[in-house]
Amino acid sequence: QLQLQESGPGLLKPSETLSLTCTVSGDSISSRDYYWGWVRQPPGKGLEWIGSIYYRGSTYYNPSRKNRVTISVDTSKNQFYLRLTSATAADTAVYYCARHPLLRHFDVWGQGTLVTVSP
Amino acid sequence: QSALTQPPSASGSPGQSVTISCTGTSSDVGGYDSVSWYQQHPRKAPKLMIYEVTKRPSGVPDRFSGSKSGNTASLTVSGLQAEDEADYYCSSYAGSNNVIFGGGTKLTVL
Repeated sequence: QLQLQESGPGLLKPSETLSLTCTVSGDSISSRDYYWGWVRQPPGKGLEWIGSIYYRGSTYYNPSRKNRVTISVDTSKNQFYLRLTSATAADTAVYYCARHPLLRHFDVWGQGTLVTVSP
Repeated sequence: QSALTQPPSASGSPGQSVTISCTGTSSDVGGYDSVSWYQQHPRKAPKLMIYEVTKRPSGVPDRFSGSKSGNTASLTVSGLQAEDEADYYCSSYAGSNNVIFGGGTKLTVL
């Protein structure tokens, strides 16, 4: 049974870099046709796609976020990562990792992790 | 890019049917058969309910159905049950390896 689990610091100061890890279990992150993505949800607001990665390293980003976002993958650890630079209070959100088949929909989600950016 | 447009709220009584709309443009909803719908209960992760406009993942009740006409996609929940009360989000592939979501609809079972 495929499971995804986010991990990382829950509290950041403004201007710091947000770094999260998604650990995939129950299947290989190197499976064909599957991309792996990050989606966030500010408190009380809707979902926003941040970006996705293929196991070979190809990355795809939300055009409105790509200047501050880097997504990477480590197939040996079955993990992928999110890095968001110059964090502000507007980046406070629950961050989800999810499997993203063919960049078309998100079929398996992690439980989410709350990241708060506060002085 | 603009978010897809969903009504903020929808409601229905148990046993009734309710339809939630998701309006985009010819560059997203109208241009691809890649609309998906997600159910989210409070403090829970979203759950995929419909993908590729009409397909249901294994385990999703057939009370949930999807459709599309032009630039507007719809999610219909038939035979409403109390546990269907949740937020619902649509999403669409928007070309150039881009994905957009709707603003969400809060479904209330009266």
